[in-house]
Amino acid sequence: QVTLRESGPALVKPTQTLTLTCTFSGFSLITRGMCVSWIRQPPGKALEWLALVDWDDDKYYSTSLRTRLTISKDTSKNQVVLTMTNMDPVDTATYYCARIPGDSSAGVYYFDYWGQGTLVTVSS
Amino acid sequence: SYELTQPPSVSVSPGQTARISCSGDALPKQYAYWYQQKPGQAPVLVIYKDSERPSGIPERFSGSSSGTTVTLTISGVQAEDEADYYCQSSDSSGPHVVFGGGTKLTVL
Repeated sequence: QVTLRESGPALVKPTQTLTLTCTFSGFSLITRGMCVSWIRQPPGKALEWLALVDWDDDKYYSTSLRTRLTISKDTSKNQVVLTMTNMDPVDTATYYCARIPGDSSAGVYYFDYWGQGTLVTVSS
Repeated sequence: SYELTQPPSVSVSPGQTARISCSGDALPKQYAYWYQQKPGQAPVLVIYKDSERPSGIPERFSGSSSGTTVTLTISGVQAEDEADYYCQSSDSSGPHVVFGGGTKLTVL
């Protein structure tokens, strides 16, 4: 079955760079149309899309955060990594990775499987 | 930037029908999706491509679309349906995903 799991530090200091890893199973990121994405949710607030990488290694970023984000994939390890630079307390959130199923090749993007999320707190 | 607008809250009594709206300029051209999120849990997809229901989602959940507004309808609401609901779509220029601000469904 499809599973995704986020891992990374629970606490980072302001100005530091955050690195999060999504380890997945049950599907391959070389399958046409498949994507993995990152989404975050500050405590008590709405979901916010961050970035996605597709089967063809194309990468897309949130317009408002694109200068701080880098997404990459390692298909041999079934992992997707997100880095976010210059962390600030407003970046405190639960960070989720999620799968976008194969419809993305038709321009359809939605999330059918999610990880459980990892809470990242930014504080000195 | 592209936005999706949802009402902050909707309240219904058990057994009644709840309707949650989501409006956005690109919705006539882009599909909408709906997620249910209960406290402390990851979101769960309940509707995709405007009106399709994933396997395992109860039939009381349905979706519809009309112009710039999409609607999630929960018929015969149950206490377990109390949750936050988020709509999601993409803007018309590519795979830039957008979420609505979320609607808290309260079952009275």
